[in-house]
Amino acid sequence: NAGVTQTPKFQVLKTGQSMTLQCAQDMNHNSMYWYRQDPGMGLRLIYYSASEGTTDKGEVPNGYNVSRLNKREFSLRLESAAPSQTSVYFCASKDRVQPQHFGDGTRLSIL
Amino acid sequence: DQQVKQNSPSLSVQEGRISILNCDYTNSMFDYFLWYKKYPAEGPTFLISISSIKDKNEDGRFTVFLNKSAKHLSLHIVPSQPGDSAVYFCAASSYSSASKIIFGSGTRLSIRP
Repeated sequence: NAGVTQTPKFQVLKTGQSMTLQCAQDMNHNSMYWYRQDPGMGLRLIYYSASEGTTDKGEVPNGYNVSRLNKREFSLRLESAAPSQTSVYFCASKDRVQPQHFGDGTRLSIL
Repeated sequence: DQQVKQNSPSLSVQEGRISILNCDYTNSMFDYFLWYKKYPAEGPTFLISISSIKDKNEDGRFTVFLNKSAKHLSLHIVPSQPGDSAVYFCAASSYSSASKIIFGSGTRLSIRP
C-alpha cells in the first residue's frame, strides 16, 4: 500500500521557470492538500480540495495553482517560480474525520 | 496572523523524564486538534487527537490535554524515549470547515541520554 506518493522528490528550477508537482493517493480519500514547510514557519496550507471537483485556497495560495485531476490525483503548479518558493512541499489526503496521511515531500530549490 | 502557535521552537528532555509540548490557538471555531510527529526527510505522521468535547485523551505514553477557555493544548510524553526525538506539529480544524486543517510551526524535541 503506497499511501501518498509525491513526484519528483527533488527539483532545482531557475527563476521564472514553471513546474507541476504531482501527488497521488491510493486510499480512496475524498480530501487532498498541499502544504509548504519552511524553517520556523511550520506547515502552511497552500490549497486543499475537500472533494473531487472542488478546490479552495489555504493560508498562502499566491503564486500557485492546483488541479484535482480525479479522486486520486491533486497537482500543484508554479507558473513562474520565484526564490521565495524554495521550500519542501508536502501533499496529504484524508477521509471524513480520519487524520491526514502525508507523502514524503518534494524538495524544491529555485535559483 | 498565525491561528495555531507553538512558541517553543525546541525542547531538550532527559530520557525517562516527561516531555511537555505546548500549543495555543486563536480561532474559537476550532474544535478538533491533532498532534503529528515528523522525522527528517519524511512526511508527518499522525500521533494523537482530541475533540473539543473532551479535555484529555490518552494513547499509551502520549496524552493530550485541552483547555478550551485558555485556547491551549499540550502533549505529554512519558517516559520519553530516544525514538521520540523528532519535530512535533500541533494542528487544528473546525467542524464547519472540517477539511481545512491549520498547523503550528512545530517544536523540535531532543531526548538526551
